[in-house]
Amino acid sequence: QSALTQPASVSGSPGQSITISCTGTNSDVGRYNYVSWYQQHPGKAPKLLISAVSNRPSGVSARFSGSKSGNTASLTISGLQAEDEADYYCSSYTSTNTWVFGGGTKLTVL
Amino acid sequence: QVQLVESGGGVVQPGGSLRLSCAASGFTFSSFGMHWVRQAPGKGLEWVAFIRFDGSDIYYADAVKGRFTISRDNSKKTLYLQMNSLRPEDTAVYYCAKNWEFYYFQYWGQGILVTVSS
Repeated sequence: QSALTQPASVSGSPGQSITISCTGTNSDVGRYNYVSWYQQHPGKAPKLLISAVSNRPSGVSARFSGSKSGNTASLTISGLQAEDEADYYCSSYTSTNTWVFGGGTKLTVL
Repeated sequence: QVQLVESGGGVVQPGGSLRLSCAASGFTFSSFGMHWVRQAPGKGLEWVAFIRFDGSDIYYADAVKGRFTISRDNSKKTLYLQMNSLRPEDTAVYYCAKNWEFYYFQYWGQGILVTVSS
């Protein structure tokens, strides 16, 4: 149950687009399309942004999008806004009936 | 609206026990699986345990297997986490989360801090 691999930090200027990668294995990200993404502001609970690799739940901005290729999933945020500054986590269901999260990526809006 | 409220956290000595509760409202609790997820201070999220809507399936992370027990009382709309043989590395904010479509964490509580220290 090793954590999925995410970059520790990314940054971008308002209006720009950024992409956060999430690399797993053939037992999790590569095996299933059960990848999700979460946003967490400091001192707050996480919020579901993306489910099933690329589906946005009702109420989530269209500026957030997800994709997957092989063992790597990605979250793209377009039109960066100051309020997007937060920590982002990916998650995947695994072949051993468990769930695994990525280590988290801190997004800084310059 | 969905509300999940954790309680039961606090400071406990290594080797001790603690039981967390998560009171649910705003949805049909008995129809959804539930998770516990924890976050050590300054660290990332770590999945802990899952229980299906009717308790028929239960899964644990290796780090807590044999020490933690997840359970639920659908009549009380409450999720529990019994934590035994606690270790300093179990120190974390513990969140309960509503499961959605089996694979996702749809709504989260505000979290409750558990500190294991002598």
